[in-house]
Amino acid sequence: GESVGLHLPTLSVQEGDNSIINCAYSNSASDYFIWYKQESGKGPQFIIDIRSNMDKRQGQRVTVLLNKTVKHLSLQIAATQPGDSAVYFCAEQYNTGKLIFGQGTTLQVKP
Amino acid sequence: EAGVTQFPSHSVIEKGQTVTLRCDPISGHDNLYWYRRVMGKEIKFLLHFVKESKQDESGMPNNRFLAERTGGTYSTLKVQPAELEDSGVYFCASSLNLAKNIQYFGAGTRLSVL
Repeated sequence: GESVGLHLPTLSVQEGDNSIINCAYSNSASDYFIWYKQESGKGPQFIIDIRSNMDKRQGQRVTVLLNKTVKHLSLQIAATQPGDSAVYFCAEQYNTGKLIFGQGTTLQVKP
Repeated sequence: EAGVTQFPSHSVIEKGQTVTLRCDPISGHDNLYWYRRVMGKEIKFLLHFVKESKQDESGMPNNRFLAERTGGTYSTLKVQPAELEDSGVYFCASSLNLAKNIQYFGAGTRLSVL
């Protein structure tokens, strides 16, 4: 079946550095991906999305890169702040809205 | 505008008991989804309502789980009888429609089955 996975369960970065969180997927027909952020005690929160007709999309301090050749996407956070500490999930969204999540990467920001 | 609300926030029950989780979506959102995260694993889809109709219930683990959305507003997810492996965090999400399908999640219900 389809799967979406993350490479590292935990990522620790220094405040002010850039963070890169990676994700791989298995279904070459996948065409819509979303990154979610989950803070302690809260539900997942939409950060940024990308469709398969794009290879890069930028938001405020965040960039998502999609490499369809190797079925890989990444989330880059510029100038990481303590408030960025959370669990980050990549997810594939079907046309029905159903989300297939990866396992999550915990981002720890050291002051 | 109120977000997606879920309650209880935490439920502790014994194996064999019944628990009902409730989700109130954002007002006007036709789509309502249930997900759960078990034992620190990935968040997994359970089912999808469009208004009061079950659109996709392919993720429901077994017939001990029953979801309803009478009237197309709030939804309940009942587990009867609960088993140990049902422990986890149950999330509800809602979206306006499939064209604007950013899903807004509730804070989740943490279910502990002892």
